[in-house]
Amino acid sequence: EDQVTQSPEALRLQEGESSSLNCSYTVSGLRGLFWYRQDPGKGPEFLFTLYSAGEEKEKERLKATLTKKESFLHITAPKPEDSATYLCAVQDEGGGADGLTFGKGTHLIIQP
Amino acid sequence: DTGVSQDPRHKITKRGQNVTFRCDPISEHNRLYWYRQTLGQGPEFLTYFQNEAQLEKSRLLSDRFSAERPKGSFSTLEIQRTEQGDSAMYLCASSLRYGYTFGSGTRLTVV
Repeated sequence: EDQVTQSPEALRLQEGESSSLNCSYTVSGLRGLFWYRQDPGKGPEFLFTLYSAGEEKEKERLKATLTKKESFLHITAPKPEDSATYLCAVQDEGGGADGLTFGKGTHLIIQP
Repeated sequence: DTGVSQDPRHKITKRGQNVTFRCDPISEHNRLYWYRQTLGQGPEFLTYFQNEAQLEKSRLLSDRFSAERPKGSFSTLEIQRTEQGDSAMYLCASSLRYGYTFGSGTRLTVV
């Protein structure tokens, strides 16, 4: 059974204080690892898809990296508008399953 | 870009009543997914359609739940005889290949 564990559960940073969020996963075969941002009362907003170990993707102040066992979402010089819950999910290539398995998310608060 | 649209945004119902939610995916997306999310948890997969065919259902989808996607366009999710444990955000997503686009969800409260 696919498993995704995200840490920390919550993180409070000062504006401009860089940090990283962790996503550890277990899958029989990884088709893709996804990062989403979710604001309160809204659906998840797509950020990145990573497909293979060593892959990196960047968007503004965010950078996602992938190894065979975990992914990191690095946040550089964050701003208050980066406050949200960040969700990690995996898609398994085996068994014909097409759904994503999500972690519980990291609730990020950026204080001005 | 119309995005994924869900209706209604909020629904309050009494225990034992039936409810139906609607999802309109991005028009060129042939895959449609339903997820359920409770407070403090990540979304949990419920079911998946490719065009009009329902290809996969999670163990979470009890007999009280039914989903349809007639003609491969919009989809409906019906919950019969609602229970308090059904209170959650119901999310719809669509995709063409990889990378899902989620709607804003329908928040269901069963009282």
